Amino acid sequence: GQNIDQPTEMTATEGAIVQINCTYQTSGFNGLFWYQQHAGEAPTFLSYNVLDGLEEKGRFSSFLSRSKGYSYLLLKELQMKDSASYLCAVTGGYNKLIFGAGTRLAVHP
Amino acid sequence: DAGVTQSPTHLIKTRGQQVTLRCSPKSGHDTVSWYQQALGQGPQFIFQYYEEEERQRGNFPDRFSGHQFPNYSSELNVNALLLGDSALYLCASSQGPDSPLHFGNGTRLTVT
Repeated sequence: GQNIDQPTEMTATEGAIVQINCTYQTSGFNGLFWYQQHAGEAPTFLSYNVLDGLEEKGRFSSFLSRSKGYSYLLLKELQMKDSASYLCAVTGGYNKLIFGAGTRLAVHP
Repeated sequence: DAGVTQSPTHLIKTRGQQVTLRCSPKSGHDTVSWYQQALGQGPQFIFQYYEEEERQRGNFPDRFSGHQFPNYSSELNVNALLLGDSALYLCASSQGPDSPLHFGNGTRLTVT
């Protein structure tokens, strides 16, 4: 079967750091995506990890451990505009993405 | 450079009716995928079109069908609508079937 787990909700303070975890069990694995989705808007691409390790892109970093079926998204220097849902998605190839339910992040002043 | 565009933005239909949703991919993209997103859930893969053919399909009944045109735009058709089909329908395009997806803003379908 295919299963992707991430926390339902998280809260954090402006300027802080937050880590959103994602664990997965899938029949095939080519890579893992993170998307950001503001309410009523399209998901926007944040990162794509294929190999184990940390990928850093500005304030956002994503980590992957294929052996553990685990990833996390790290957001630094949080801003109010970072309040959104963060979607973890696994692909077995050819962009057939299997999404988790998403983590709703609320950033407070 | 226009991104992925979808129409209409909102739609209200009655049970049993049929609906067609439309998608124009981002410029330079030739692959279109459709996803259904229920409220509070992540998107679920419906199917993917590449070179005018359905290449992959998720766990959706035959009531869900699609088409891709020579200009790479795509349609999603849903027949015999059920209340449970109420959702946000997202179209995503990519350059080839194995590169990052770019999503449109979606069509919010409400079935009453």
